[in-house]
Amino acid sequence: DAKTTQPNSMESNEEEPVHLPCNHSTISGTDYIHWYRQLPSQGPEYVIHGLTSNVNNRMASLAIAEDRKSSTLILHRATLRDAAVYYCILRGRGSQGNLIFGKGTKLSVKP
Amino acid sequence: DAGVIQSPRHEVTEMGQEVTLRCKPISGHDYLFWYRQTMMRGLELLIYFNNNVPIDDSGMPEDRFSAKMPNASFSTLKIQPSEPRDSAVYFCASSSGWGQGYGYTFGSGTRLTVV
Repeated sequence: DAKTTQPNSMESNEEEPVHLPCNHSTISGTDYIHWYRQLPSQGPEYVIHGLTSNVNNRMASLAIAEDRKSSTLILHRATLRDAAVYYCILRGRGSQGNLIFGKGTKLSVKP
Repeated sequence: DAGVIQSPRHEVTEMGQEVTLRCKPISGHDYLFWYRQTMMRGLELLIYFNNNVPIDDSGMPEDRFSAKMPNASFSTLKIQPSEPRDSAVYFCASSSGWGQGYGYTFGSGTRLTVV
């Protein structure tokens, strides 16, 4: 399975942008990049996904490197509510399409 | 839309007892997933269903675990007999499709403590 590497933890200040990195050097051409987050005492929450092009939605932006070996989840203005564990997940075709979680990045947001 | 609904939110039971966790997926979602989360192992996929039929149960840890989906709006995960090492948070998720382009909606989980 293609794997991802994320920092264990990051800190941010409230109302500042946050860039959460993810390395996936063994990504295959058909793997999608998904991001989920898990707030304390809650289930994981879908954030965004993409294949090759950068993606934007109301929650975040996903910037994908040209060689697709890394990606960055961008929160444009962090709030205290964004403190969570963020998971970067590759989803392949067929049996590789299951949503398999790694350890993620724990984001702390300081007021 | 009420989202994925799980019950109970918390369950404390004695070792050896039967435990049943319940899940109501989002209406119209054809896929249902059960996950377990522990500090040691993180989030693990246990089993998933498509149109009420179990597709892959390779993540179910032991025969003590069983899952059913009698209809499109209800699923159960049963542990019989329960053991202390089953203590974890169990999440149910549903999706309108399976595969790369689909996102999952998770419930709030059931925190199980087996004493």
